[in-house]
Amino acid sequence: NAGVTQTPKFQVLKTGQSMTLQCAQDMNHNSMYWYRQDPGMGLRLIYYSASEGTTDKGEVPNGYNVSRLNKREFSLRLESAAPSQTSVYFCASSERPGGQFFGPGTRLTVL
Amino acid sequence: AQSVTQPDIHITVSEGASLELRCNYSYGATPYLFWYVQSPGQGLQLLLKYFSGDTLVQGIKGFEAEFKRSQSSFNLRKPSVHWSDAAEYFCAVGAGSSNTGKLIFGQGTTLQVKP
Repeated sequence: NAGVTQTPKFQVLKTGQSMTLQCAQDMNHNSMYWYRQDPGMGLRLIYYSASEGTTDKGEVPNGYNVSRLNKREFSLRLESAAPSQTSVYFCASSERPGGQFFGPGTRLTVL
Repeated sequence: AQSVTQPDIHITVSEGASLELRCNYSYGATPYLFWYVQSPGQGLQLLLKYFSGDTLVQGIKGFEAEFKRSQSSFNLRKPSVHWSDAAEYFCAVGAGSSNTGKLIFGQGTTLQVKP
């Protein structure tokens, strides 16, 4: 039982490049989430998916897109990366409202 | 709007001393409340949660928290801190419909433990 896994762990991009962050969970949870964490800002919700086939914007969705590929997988895409997207990205899942389980994070630097 | 405030950005305690981390929330209905811990370079780990019932909840690693509706607070406590407790702690409240599982997080409190 791996819980929530994220790939890659680290990534460096140049401004304007695109990439997809992958997330998978093996707990059969319905809900999945993407957050970004910046110093002094806590965690801010980017997008979430309350169930397979649905996605909704969170607090800071601009510059991102998501895909809920199936119940297990929820990906986050940066179409044209900007330095302001330098952050640590966390994926989480939950069986609402039981509390969220987090992955180890992806540390992204945009030059 | 729902919100969570952790008044203390940074706290330092001596090993073996007691600990209390403060959390205040703003929420119209009965809240779902959580405490998470994040060690450096790691993801967040759920310490404990409150949904209803007994207002004193026990969690992992010897932590407990008390829900006080009259004070809109959910403070985290530990009787005797260990050096391994040094980490960042986040309080969170369930947001919106219970169907989404969304959470709103406080900005976190960094705990330093002195030997």
